[in-house]
Amino acid sequence: RKEVEQDPGPFNVPEGATVAFNCTYSNSASQSFFWYRQDCRKEPKLLMSVYSSGNEDGRFTAQLNRASQYISLLIRDSKLSDSATYLCVVNDGTWTGANNLFFGTGTRLTVIP
Amino acid sequence: ETGVTQTPRHLVMGMTNKKSLKCEQHLGHNAMYWYKQSAKKPLELMFVYSLEERVENNSVPSRFSPECPNSSHLFLHLHTLQPEDSALYLCASSKDRTSGRTDTQYFGPGTRLTVL
Repeated sequence: RKEVEQDPGPFNVPEGATVAFNCTYSNSASQSFFWYRQDCRKEPKLLMSVYSSGNEDGRFTAQLNRASQYISLLIRDSKLSDSATYLCVVNDGTWTGANNLFFGTGTRLTVIP
Repeated sequence: ETGVTQTPRHLVMGMTNKKSLKCEQHLGHNAMYWYKQSAKKPLELMFVYSLEERVENNSVPSRFSPECPNSSHLFLHLHTLQPEDSALYLCASSKDRTSGRTDTQYFGPGTRLTVL
């Protein structure tokens, strides 16, 4: 069973559209949740952390449902520059010194002019 | 951004070669990671170092050998690799949990490795 599951897409949406990505995770002990963005042939970069109460950063809103072990990302008013792969990431819930993260395979988004 | 740098950016090697990948972080972090990213697969954690000690080795073949001489530098030594080892190798760093609860990892640009 995969630790983190995402719909790989691709999602092709017109500029200005609202798009939502979903993710489920299997480890109920996970404590930290993130969305990373990865552009083609580039490294992953943190988009936003995800908090239990939900959080918003401009056009991006992230939600966490611990009971269902479900994370979502909503992008409003899509821009061409939002085209990328969005990675759902959770930690392993352990408390060793380092921070072990599990990555989903990513959801590919293409915003069309 | 130059927080985490990796060299070389591209590497082509034969199966009998020995090469090393280098990672350097300038963020004051004390945990460093090696990941492998293959096409259509999630990032696979290979090695984790915290405070310069290896704390995780996810059953990686011995043809990959990490080295962490200090908290700013991480190496991945490669020898007798196989064609299926061709992938993007990403280095990341973060604060160790002894520095406070922060799990954010920052990635280098990666080394794209091709094994012939």
